Amino acid sequence: DADVTQTPRNRITKTGKRIMLECSQTKGHDRMYWYRQDPGLGLRLIYYSFDVKDINKGEISDGYSVSRQAQAKFSLSLESAIPNQTALYFCATSDFRQGMNTGELFFGEGSRLTVL
Amino acid sequence: QQPVQSPQAVILREGEDAVINCSSSKALYSVHWYRQKHGEAPVFLMILLKGGEQKGHEKISASFNEKKQQSSLYLTASQLSYSGTYFCGTEWPRNSGNTPLVFGKGTRLSVIA
Repeated sequence: DADVTQTPRNRITKTGKRIMLECSQTKGHDRMYWYRQDPGLGLRLIYYSFDVKDINKGEISDGYSVSRQAQAKFSLSLESAIPNQTALYFCATSDFRQGMNTGELFFGEGSRLTVL
Repeated sequence: QQPVQSPQAVILREGEDAVINCSSSKALYSVHWYRQKHGEAPVFLMILLKGGEQKGHEKISASFNEKKQQSSLYLTASQLSYSGTYFCGTEWPRNSGNTPLVFGKGTRLSVIA
């Protein structure tokens, strides 16, 4: 089984619908992230959480919200989906040791979202 | 602010070498390198910390020049399996701890026989 699991893997929806993408991990990491990937734009950070009580906006958080239900679960919601939110979404986790750098990021397999 | 990667794309023949650069407008604490093959998730290659260290992973190595705020990834004697998109991710220091990784737009590397 994958260490970082995303559901659904593919989703087609209509403009205005509410969508939730879920992420769960068995790595035991405190840090979790949601990135969005569009062709030619790289991986852009939407939201991140350094522990269960910590939620932070990334560079492109408008139109998105998140929930950190437990150390192992981090969900991304699109309250009212629009076509330009069509993209590949990745969840990732990492370790962190005080006074040191962020450790290796472990990515889920991605959730491809299409908004019509 | 996204780090800037160059070149955007490169085509190599097997056995040739390549260099991918990653530059930041702010002082860096660390640089990560990842490779993503088509249709897959990015996979970690290596981390470089401030201090100018150089690391290696098989025939792939990297350097980190703290003063120039840049890192370079070196691919030596490229193999077909090296094809993919390479991303650098940068981390900056802040008083309450480091920032999350911000990735560049990627460099698409194609190795042909």
